[in-house]
Amino acid sequence: DAKTTQPPSMDCAEGRAANLPCNHSTISGNEYVYWYRQIHSQGPQYIIHGLKNNETNEMASLIITEDRKSSTLILPHATLRDTAVYYCIVRVDGTASKLTFGTGTRLQVTL
Amino acid sequence: GAVVSQHPSWVICKSGTSVKIECRSLDFQATTMFWYRQFPKQSLMLMATSNEGSKATYEQGVEKDKFLINHASLTLSTLTVTSAHPEDSSFYICSARANGDTQYFGPGTRLTVL
Repeated sequence: DAKTTQPPSMDCAEGRAANLPCNHSTISGNEYVYWYRQIHSQGPQYIIHGLKNNETNEMASLIITEDRKSSTLILPHATLRDTAVYYCIVRVDGTASKLTFGTGTRLQVTL
Repeated sequence: GAVVSQHPSWVICKSGTSVKIECRSLDFQATTMFWYRQFPKQSLMLMATSNEGSKATYEQGVEKDKFLINHASLTLSTLTVTSAHPEDSSFYICSARANGDTQYFGPGTRLTVL
């Protein structure tokens, strides 16, 4: 699976949009981009995933560049409860496919 | 939907004893479950992949005789840490693959070995 690069930390004011970038320049055509987050001392929570089209659900939006070499996770109105480590993971779907966690981005939402 | 539970949420045991951790998919069937370990201030590390009705596949460096995995049904996988030692103290997290290949994670089990 392709490697991803994320900034180690970001800050965001409550109520503002949080835009978390991820670089995956070696992504293959059949690899999906997944986003998870981990709130302190909890298991990771699935947020969203996509292949090449932009995706939106009740939690966030995922914007994937046309060349698929990078993506951005957008939390439209960040709250204090969104403070967590956010992981961008690239993987091929399939029964043998594993999730490999990097170091992620620690998002701190402040008042 | 797609809820995964773990039991217990935390456990303290004496060195040399064995500890069993259960992982259940509550509202879906999972032919594949995964076990991860996370040390303080580190990322999750995959330990093994568990397939229902077959032997688990362990990642390099993970002792299969120490970390016993049983995936006896489509909704239950267990991890047994045998002869636990203080260095096995960690946060153990399972995940289950739902339809469409997305993995959903349990809340984790914190193991402390004295």
